[in-house]
Amino acid sequence: AQRVTQPEKLLSVFKGAPVELKCNYSYSGSPELFWYVQYSRQRLQLLLRHISRESIKGFTADLNKGETSFHLKKPFAQEEDSAMYYCALSPGGSEKLVFGKGTKLTVNP
Amino acid sequence: DAGVIQSPRHEVTEMGQEVTLRCKPISGHNSLFWYRQTMMRGLELLIYFNNNVPIDDSGMPEDRFSAKMPNASFSTLKIQPSEPRDSAVYFCASSLTIRGGGYTFGSGTRLTVV
Repeated sequence: AQRVTQPEKLLSVFKGAPVELKCNYSYSGSPELFWYVQYSRQRLQLLLRHISRESIKGFTADLNKGETSFHLKKPFAQEEDSAMYYCALSPGGSEKLVFGKGTKLTVNP
Repeated sequence: DAGVIQSPRHEVTEMGQEVTLRCKPISGHNSLFWYRQTMMRGLELLIYFNNNVPIDDSGMPEDRFSAKMPNASFSTLKIQPSEPRDSAVYFCASSLTIRGGGYTFGSGTRLTVV
């Protein structure tokens, strides 16, 4: 069965500090991994996907198949990064997404 | 495009009543998903459709839940009869059937069953 684990429910950092939101997955095949973000009073939206190897709002995430991880990183956190972050997995060839339970990031001034 | 539109935004109902949640996907998207979000269980996929056909309903909790997609621009999720444990935020999302396309979510319906 597919599973996504985000071990931290809450994460608090100071502005300008590096931030890493952890995501581990369980899937035997070739997954597609995503990060979604939900800012206060806004809808859930796609932040980035591993196949694009992109950097969005300074965030990057690298798929590590050996460690089955897809951690989200940003070198210098900003207050506007405060939000709920969800890691999600799409089993190979499938349309469905399996979400982790999310990490609430707070960036303090 | 106004995005994925869900109605109502909030619903408070008494236990035993029928509840119908509605979703209008983005025009041109051919996959539609219903998720339920709770503090305890996070985001759970209930059911998804592709080209209006239900593909996977294994997440539907029990027979009290049913979903339909009569055409490409409308879907409903119905709970009958509702119970307090159904209280949650229900999200609808749509996507193109393209590998790695990602979803576009609606704003959700916050359901409270008292």
